[in-house]
Amino acid sequence: NAGVTQTPKFQVLKTGQSMTLQCAQDMNHNSMYWYRQDPGMGLRLIYYSASEGTTDKGEVPNGYNVSRLNKREFSLRLESAAPSQTSVYFCASSEGPGPTVYGYTFGSGTRLTVV
Amino acid sequence: AQKITQTQPGMFVQEKEAVTLDCTYDTSDPSYGLFWYKQPSSGEMIFLIYQGSYDQQNATEGRYSLNFQKARKSANLVISASQLGDSAMYFCAMREGGTGRRALTFGSGTRLQVQP
Repeated sequence: NAGVTQTPKFQVLKTGQSMTLQCAQDMNHNSMYWYRQDPGMGLRLIYYSASEGTTDKGEVPNGYNVSRLNKREFSLRLESAAPSQTSVYFCASSEGPGPTVYGYTFGSGTRLTVV
Repeated sequence: AQKITQTQPGMFVQEKEAVTLDCTYDTSDPSYGLFWYKQPSSGEMIFLIYQGSYDQQNATEGRYSLNFQKARKSANLVISASQLGDSAMYFCAMREGGTGRRALTFGSGTRLQVQP
């Protein structure tokens, strides 16, 4: 099925460990995004990539790095995990080559717990 | 300053009744888009409805309609004939126009509970 695929779905890390969250889309979208959602809150933008080869900081980038590996894939890396990074992480993509100008597709999320 | 404000942390509605979820926004960009998403307890983000800043008519999608009042900068979601399956978190979001960043900015959400 076409869409945004995130891996893993669940992860528990110890403080100080590193990990990479993977995201891939098969809709030929140009833009990709990483959000985090803390309990009872809305989604906050961590990083985004407007097009292949470009990345920019969002609202809450500290403690994260990203890589736009190619048009399909956009990964999020936690170099040294902290309990404050316990959250649900969503990847999203938007803007295909066609006339649709406002469609966003979200992955199913990664639930990360840092202990 | 918050760009998207949802002032109702929680709402209750009786099954089959209509409910309005409030959303106000703040932008100086004349070109923007407003979105509503539903997030059930399973966690996925489900797109409900979209309103562009230049759209002349309020958007409708089945039981969902968006009450767009541009001068007041409000974009309230109206759900008609509520169903038990409508119980979920609802998020209002905005995309500002122009080049470059096209990320959505989200409000804090409203938890809707539909009672039988």
